[in-house]
Amino acid sequence: EVQLVESGGGLVQPGGSLRLSCAASRFTFSSYAMSWVRQAPGKGLEWVSAISGSGATTHYADPVKGRFTVSRDNTKNTLYLQMNSLRAEDTALYYCVKNSDIFENWGQGTLVTVSS
Amino acid sequence: EIVLTQSPATLSLSPGERATLSCRASQSVNNYLAWYQHKPGQAPRLLIYDASNRATGIPARFSGSGSGTDFTLTISSLEPEDFAVYYCQQRSNWPPLTFGGGTKVEIK
Repeated sequence: EVQLVESGGGLVQPGGSLRLSCAASRFTFSSYAMSWVRQAPGKGLEWVSAISGSGATTHYADPVKGRFTVSRDNTKNTLYLQMNSLRAEDTALYYCVKNSDIFENWGQGTLVTVSS
Repeated sequence: EIVLTQSPATLSLSPGERATLSCRASQSVNNYLAWYQHKPGQAPRLLIYDASNRATGIPARFSGSGSGTDFTLTISSLEPEDFAVYYCQQRSNWPPLTFGGGTKVEIK
């Protein structure tokens, strides 16, 4: 069974940075695009970013474009999300998801709180 | 950006009843629409993809229909574990991938 384990969340001040990681196992990581989806408190699901299997192609939602960077290390089976210039509205549970369009496998999420 | 509008926002039903959830797209998504179930403290779960295909392990009481701009998720007879929030999501024209605002199915 596919396993996705996120880490790196925490409390950060506005304007700060954080890097999320997602350790993937039990599937051929490099063969699949990966995504980040978030859920702010009391809100719905919001797609954040996607990256191709090779890492050559990336996509971002407008609210995070220019501030977040998605990357991957296929030798370590790990997905990353570098988040800079964080804002209060980035406060959310961030999920790592296998695939870029049909989201069949999700991690349990890591909580990011942006507050002073 | 394709906007997905789900209705109703909340559906109050009893176990054993039929649930009908709607998702309307601002433009055609062909059949590239998925449905997810989300319970508090759990990861979302894929139920239906490409409008009508059940995902692996999803019970037959869940069914999806529709194409173009209007889609429906039907739960034929609600089980206690089905009370949750349900989201639709399109992959027809992205980025961005978009989700609907969700429908909460609650116990009446």
